[in-house]
Amino acid sequence: DIQMTQSPSFLSASVGDRVTINCKASQNINKYLNWYQQKLGEAPKRLIYNTNNLQTGIPSRFSGSGSGTDYTLTISSLQPEDFATYFCLQHNSFPLTFGSGTKLEIK
Amino acid sequence: EVQLVESGGGLVQPGRSMKLSCAASGFTFSDYYMAWVRQAPKKGLEWVASISYEGSSTYYGDSVKGRFTISRDNAKSTLYLQMNSLRSEDTATYYCARQWGPPFDYWGQGVMVTVSS
Repeated sequence: DIQMTQSPSFLSASVGDRVTINCKASQNINKYLNWYQQKLGEAPKRLIYNTNNLQTGIPSRFSGSGSGTDYTLTISSLQPEDFATYFCLQHNSFPLTFGSGTKLEIK
Repeated sequence: EVQLVESGGGLVQPGRSMKLSCAASGFTFSDYYMAWVRQAPKKGLEWVASISYEGSSTYYGDSVKGRFTISRDNAKSTLYLQMNSLRSEDTATYYCARQWGPPFDYWGQGVMVTVSS
């Protein structure tokens, strides 16, 4: 099974900051990596699919990059609505596995 | 508009069974793999199971293999999750999600399952 190590677990930042969240796979996942945002009490929302493809309707301040085993979600300029928890998901192979999550909090 | 609406959750005793349903609308259900993803209280996301277009192929996470069964009825555009031999660690919000190519572009609102005596 592919393990996804997500970091950091918690991130404190201010509106306007640039932040990055990382996911490291235990083996090559061939860019089959998605990013999700989840707000309290809501279902997750897909932000990025296949490493760097922005989901329709998602603001361009969100971007993804990476290859092989290392992947990054970048938020270029944090907005108040971006404070949430973020998860990565590898879909290279079953079982599909999520990262443990990054809670982004207001500093 | 794509909609996924889960139902069937609630409180169940350990060792008992429960069946979840997910009613889909707004897209051609049979064109998509479908999946269940769960989230224990204040925890992360865990993929539970996936099913192919016609239901001929199914995939399960290790923690539910042999206890849970995913199925679908394309005529009714409905996804199911039969959960047997439930344990306290199965307590979670269960989400139905659409899966095709890059998975989980649409999610239901979730249904809570609590396993407790």
